[in-house]
Amino acid sequence: GAGVSQSPSNKVTEKGKDVELRCDPISGHTALYWYRQSLGQGLEFLIYFQGNSAPDKSGLPSDRFSAERTGGSVSTLTIQRTQQEDSAVYLCASSLSGWGNTEAFFGQGTRLTVV
Amino acid sequence: AQRVTQPEKLLSVFKGAPVELKCNYSYSGSPELFWYVQYSRQRLQLLLRHISRESIKGFTADLNKGETSFHLKKPFAQEEDSAMYYCALMGDMRFGAGTRLTVKP
Repeated sequence: GAGVSQSPSNKVTEKGKDVELRCDPISGHTALYWYRQSLGQGLEFLIYFQGNSAPDKSGLPSDRFSAERTGGSVSTLTIQRTQQEDSAVYLCASSLSGWGNTEAFFGQGTRLTVV
Repeated sequence: AQRVTQPEKLLSVFKGAPVELKCNYSYSGSPELFWYVQYSRQRLQLLLRHISRESIKGFTADLNKGETSFHLKKPFAQEEDSAMYYCALMGDMRFGAGTRLTVKP
């Protein structure tokens, strides 16, 4: 595809359930980022993948959050035992090279609602 | 520690008025900064970057190392400029909290 693709677009889940959010970056982009966007909180960094290097997980808010990137391409963000405060829009972005050196292209986001 | 601060969460101006969205940074080296914008129902996208020294949609941003600022400016705001604006520091893809700009008719 031409841009970063995220699925699903919307997800409603019950408190306590696990959810998986998917990100398909632009082909050839080595860097991939996950952010969380919530009202009043701006854009919160979660995790960063760069090539084959160990990911920077310093933004993950708790051990209920984890992410993988398989084959240097698709990434999955997993939230276990979801809580209501996890409700937010989760954004994925990719860039040609790492850590802010080049423009980051964002997906349309996954809106997660925990009820 | 590296940090980007956008002190205003909300900013409202009338059409045709000048607008300035503030961004201050804390960085020990030579910073490279970006402004990203998110229009209603659209994806977050790059507006401009410090290194390019360009004007996009009438917006400019000058790096002031003395004041550690990278404010975004436009001399005559338009209604279509209404959006969420984020400042970001290169080398640390953490964004500021964002400023929601509303341009009133």
